[in-house]
Amino acid sequence: AQSVTQLDSHVSVSEGTPVLLRCNYSSSYSPSLFWYVQHPNKGLQLLLKYTSAATLVKGINGFEAEFKKSETSFHLTKPSAHMSDAAEYFCVVLSYNFNKFYFGSGTKLNVKP
Amino acid sequence: GAVVSQHPSWVICKSGTSVKIECRSLDFQATTMFWYRQFPKQSLMLMATSNEGSKATYEQGVEKDKFLINHASLTLSTLTVTSAHPEDSSFYICSAGEGNSNQPQHFGDGTRLSIL
Repeated sequence: AQSVTQLDSHVSVSEGTPVLLRCNYSSSYSPSLFWYVQHPNKGLQLLLKYTSAATLVKGINGFEAEFKKSETSFHLTKPSAHMSDAAEYFCVVLSYNFNKFYFGSGTKLNVKP
Repeated sequence: GAVVSQHPSWVICKSGTSVKIECRSLDFQATTMFWYRQFPKQSLMLMATSNEGSKATYEQGVEKDKFLINHASLTLSTLTVTSAHPEDSSFYICSAGEGNSNQPQHFGDGTRLSIL
């Protein structure tokens, strides 16, 4: 079975400081992992994906994530937060067997001026 | 990039009416589309997987007679909430996948459904 756990429901950072959003996964297979961002009353936008190629994945808007198999983690980072980064972020694992997405519970990122 | 268009974006209607939500893949073909429901401050819950030309596959606990799904073409899936009641008020989001199973899903902007 596949699942993801997002360890923090809320993260608050100051503008210009680093961002770390944590995600741990559980998968019976080599997983495909994704990070999506959701702005209020909007659908989801893909930030980046990991599909068994390079373990350090670079995404849009300066975000990146590192796949660590030994830690079963796929944390999302950004060196310097911008006000426009304030949103909710979802870590997602894809099931190869059933072509389903399993969503984490989400982390709401607040960026203070 | 791939675009999924969802319509309408917001619906307010009386209890007992039926509401149809459309999900279109604008620049790619989608043999499979997915319907999610999102309650306030919660994550997305998969309701059903919509397969072009065949019956949808519903997740456990989702009433198929309540949430009718039609996927008549490779670019259009519809979700009809029949005889809607206030407890059906929610944010409904569709997505479509490209190609093989390890590709990301592309999401519509969602439909906010409010039943009075």
